Amino acid sequence: EPEVTQTPSHQVTQMGQEVILRCVPISNHLYFYWYRQILGQKVEFLVSFYNNEISEKSEIFDDQFSVERPDGSNFTLKIRSTKLEDSAMYFCASSEHTGEYQPQHFGDGTRLSIL
Amino acid sequence: SQKIEQNSEALNIQEGKTATLTCNYTNYSPAYLQWYRQDPGRGPVFLLLIRENEKEKRKERLKVTFDTTLKQSLFHITASQPADSATYLCAPRNSGNTPLVFGKGTRLSVIA
Repeated sequence: EPEVTQTPSHQVTQMGQEVILRCVPISNHLYFYWYRQILGQKVEFLVSFYNNEISEKSEIFDDQFSVERPDGSNFTLKIRSTKLEDSAMYFCASSEHTGEYQPQHFGDGTRLSIL
Repeated sequence: SQKIEQNSEALNIQEGKTATLTCNYTNYSPAYLQWYRQDPGRGPVFLLLIRENEKEKRKERLKVTFDTTLKQSLFHITASQPADSATYLCAPRNSGNTPLVFGKGTRLSVIA
């Protein structure tokens, strides 16, 4: 079964550095999402992306964050000038374009640790 | 503001029993509701979807009910097994490709 893949599985970065998290969504999917989960807390929406632009973003997704689909397969989340509180699991998800009631398919996440 | 409450943070049951998990929501009028399973260190995995005009949905040992009057969904696992141990998340949704808003989840432990 096709799946969403995320790399790296674990990223350790010094505070203030930039980090890029990568995702390869399922190939025929057209909606893409990033979520994060701080340890012990719930999964929270960051941003959705469709037709090469952001379609919705949460208040967590401030100017520090950006997303890009640089080619036909990758979907990236960039965090500029990381802060300690950015430490979390970051999940990428995708869903099909057609039809209502589409589930989202999640990757297994990147654990981001800011030191 | 919109709120999703799942009945308890943790639920322990004996193998073979039926587990019942509750999801209550406020300030939503969802067109449908989804249930996901999350294992430690993994991403959520879609299990079942129930539409607002459906009272009940089944898939193998799983059953979901949806009561839009009570603003509640119940998720049942019959003949539970230790492999069912995971956190279960509910997500009411208003339309097809909007972001998911999850509850905190219920951590189910099935004891052999």
